Amino acid sequence: ILNVEQSPQSLHVQEGDSTNFTCSFPSSNFYALHWYRWETAKSPKALFVMTLNGDEKKKGRISATLNTKEGYSYLYIKGSQPEDSATYLCAFIPRNNNDMRFGAGTRLTVKP
Amino acid sequence: DGGITQSPKYLFRKEGQNVTLSCEQNLNHDAMYWYRQDPGQGLRLIYYSQIVNDFQKGDIAEGYSVSREKKESFPLTVTSAQKNPTAFYLCASSIGEVPEAFFGQGTRLTVV
Repeated sequence: ILNVEQSPQSLHVQEGDSTNFTCSFPSSNFYALHWYRWETAKSPKALFVMTLNGDEKKKGRISATLNTKEGYSYLYIKGSQPEDSATYLCAFIPRNNNDMRFGAGTRLTVKP
Repeated sequence: DGGITQSPKYLFRKEGQNVTLSCEQNLNHDAMYWYRQDPGQGLRLIYYSQIVNDFQKGDIAEGYSVSREKKESFPLTVTSAQKNPTAFYLCASSIGEVPEAFFGQGTRLTVV
């Protein structure tokens, strides 16, 4: 079983705080790493698709970095807003396979 | 309107009965996946299929069966052999070399 781990499990921040969380994955046999945002009562939606070591992606106040050699990715949210409250999932895709393996997610709550 | 549809949203069954969860997509995606989520846990891969008439076991395939007779459809049968079938089930599909996943709304199965 491929181990994809996310930390912290949950996070409570105040509106305006910046925050970050971690996804760690096997560094061997890497093909891609995805980040998804999962709001309550909705389906998970892709935030970033990352494939290259050193990749940095940004979408508004959210950004992500990737280190495939050491097997981790960070997701950053700058100036958190209540609408950022969601569970953030990462998914590891190994080479020669399409079996996406998810971490348990980080549940973010942003208080007004 | 393209998308991935799971039905029903809620499903109740008596213990010992087999039950089939539907997943249909009109996105022309090649790969389809079934995941299970239990309270406080992440998404665990049950089965996935990369092409029609082919599917692979994920981490927790015991007690489940699937078929992929059509590209659009990937039904999941929860058999009486599955010891703890009560859970939230998510179906996803993807296409391309770096397969960003699109998710259905999920089916919450309760076995009594």
